[in-house]
Amino acid sequence: DSGVTQTPKHLITATGQRVTLRCSPRSGDLSVYWYQQSLDQGLQFLIHYYNGEERAKGNILERFSAQQFPDLHSELNLSSLELGDSALYFCASSVRANSGNTIYFGEGSWLTVV
Amino acid sequence: KNEVEQSPQNLTAQEGEFITINCSYSVGISALHWLQQHPGGGIVSLFMLSSGKKKHGRLIATINIQEKHSSLHITASHPRDSAVYICAVRMSAGGTSYGKLTFGQGTILTVHP
Repeated sequence: DSGVTQTPKHLITATGQRVTLRCSPRSGDLSVYWYQQSLDQGLQFLIHYYNGEERAKGNILERFSAQQFPDLHSELNLSSLELGDSALYFCASSVRANSGNTIYFGEGSWLTVV
Repeated sequence: KNEVEQSPQNLTAQEGEFITINCSYSVGISALHWLQQHPGGGIVSLFMLSSGKKKHGRLIATINIQEKHSSLHITASHPRDSAVYICAVRMSAGGTSYGKLTFGQGTILTVHP
């Protein structure tokens, strides 16, 4: 158990809908990272939050947004869903933004868009 | 061409064999991770390297910064080592985000008893 909790574990929704994925980082970790793993693109970095502030963006679509709350949990919002958004979405956390600390991954949220 | 390339893509071994998975990258990096992903999806970070060599149990990871190459070795492989092994790099131009990683495509390892 990495200590990173993601909910829901599985989600099936229809095209055009909006979903929210939630992540609770390890106790004490200030950084939260979101990644997407799809069959055709593999693993990709989406976005990084540190102590409530956005630190870096990767290949995140404009239809997607994220935030980190004062209690350090994070949410990834996916809207106007398309079939191609079906993927495994990982959250990870680490203590600091740019330290040599290990990154701890959650179990992922499986999103299926039908 | 991907910035991070792994080889082989698939690897089958018999229990007890010595296994090597390779990772080459084409950009300057500040760190390299080896990750393990089991069926069912969860990812575990095995190593984070910026130079030299690290060992943990039967796993050894090495990196050669000049040659832009890293290897993950598994000694005395076991069926429970069957998983996808993923190399990921943090580019030197990654700014202040340690988790802004670029991933290889993964190596599927199957170890038979």
